[in-house]
Amino acid sequence: NAGVTQTPKFQVLKTGQSMTLQCAQDMNHEYMSWYRQDPGMGLRLIHYSVGAGITDQGEVPNGYNVSRSTTEDFPLRLLSAAPSQTSVYFCASSSSGGRGGTDTQYFGPGTRLTVL
Amino acid sequence: SQQGEEDPQALSIQEGENATMNCSYKTSINNLQWYRQNSGRGLVHLILIRSNEREKHSGRLRVTLDTSKKSSSLLITASRAADTASYFCATGRTPLVFGKGTRLSVIA
Repeated sequence: NAGVTQTPKFQVLKTGQSMTLQCAQDMNHEYMSWYRQDPGMGLRLIHYSVGAGITDQGEVPNGYNVSRSTTEDFPLRLLSAAPSQTSVYFCASSSSGGRGGTDTQYFGPGTRLTVL
Repeated sequence: SQQGEEDPQALSIQEGENATMNCSYKTSINNLQWYRQNSGRGLVHLILIRSNEREKHSGRLRVTLDTSKKSSSLLITASRAADTASYFCATGRTPLVFGKGTRLSVIA
């Protein structure tokens, strides 16, 4: 299994440009999440999904869109990039595990985004 | 989901020493997890302890849980330079919410 994969690894954008960060998992996990990590801020939840066709907002959703058309993929879209979105973005997935599930999350390697 | 708060924010020790970091939380839990993040990488799950457990071991890791104090501790024994990383706790169900973590530096 490849686990959780993210592309690209690095990206530089100009203010106002749009782009999509890709995330895919091959573990048949129901849950997928997007986090951003800034220095000294820990990880902050952007959006998450509990299954195909179901998404919800996290702590910092503004400026980002998500969709979940398949179990495997959970892309994150920046509609109009701003310098405040310069960050490292992590995608994670987990299984609900049924009753007594552990909810252990598996993380991708991250995408380092710079917005000029 | 609820957020765990790690303490201290940063910890620097010599190789071979033990490292202890703590996590506090606010409401009742079913389980608590610890994760490690090496610089620039994604988080990696280390260990999970359930609410009915008081202590759990995994290799050089020992986790304790005190539900009456709503706190957990992670002990790394005989630390190595490779243990240098940030450590995070998380409670609750998906989506997990993470605190700012403890930055551990192990000096060779």
